[in-house]
Amino acid sequence: GEDVEQSLFLSVREGDSSVINCTYTDSSSTYLYWYKQEPGAGLQLLTYIFSNMDMKQDQRLTVLLNKKDKHLSLRIADTQTGDSAIYFCAESPLYGQNFVFGPGTRLSVLP
Amino acid sequence: DTAVSQTPKYLVTQMGNDKSIKCEQNLGHDTMYWYKQDSKKFLKIMFSYNNKELIINETVPNRFSPKSPDKAHLNLHINSLELGDSAVYFCASRTSGHKNTEAFFGQGTRLTVV
Repeated sequence: GEDVEQSLFLSVREGDSSVINCTYTDSSSTYLYWYKQEPGAGLQLLTYIFSNMDMKQDQRLTVLLNKKDKHLSLRIADTQTGDSAIYFCAESPLYGQNFVFGPGTRLSVLP
Repeated sequence: DTAVSQTPKYLVTQMGNDKSIKCEQNLGHDTMYWYKQDSKKFLKIMFSYNNKELIINETVPNRFSPKSPDKAHLNLHINSLELGDSAVYFCASRTSGHKNTEAFFGQGTRLTVV
């Protein structure tokens, strides 16, 4: 079955770039998502990428996908204190129902 | 308009009680989920329903029983509540199919069993 792994913690200084990494196991065509969860809140979709793409950019967010290594990363440029949150990587196979989350990376932005 | 709404937002109850959490989506989606988020913030899928039929049923105690009266609703009933059931429960919905379909999440129900 699908499995998604992430590092649990990341600290960066305000203004620096943050890179959050994720690995997945599903070998079928799949969609990969990044969600953000702020304290006490639900999950908010940030961006997504299909497994036949290499990169996607959306304002301060850049998603890079290495299909061979099944490695996904989310880069946040010019990280702000408001970016402090838990970031979840998630995977969903193209024709499947499952929607599997990684353990989440807690991003702390230091002033 | 709220896309995925859960009630109640907070639920405090004693061990041994039976409680229900309700979820409704107004997005016209055909698939709904229940996730449990534990104290370490790990999100685990519990159930998935597609067109009112149970599709995914992970290893969850049978004290948890989902009910989907129609495509827009997926309720979660929990019998004989235990301390370990304390968590935040998230409902989500999406459209199944062959193209990208993000999951939309409710705001969560924080269940505290005392």
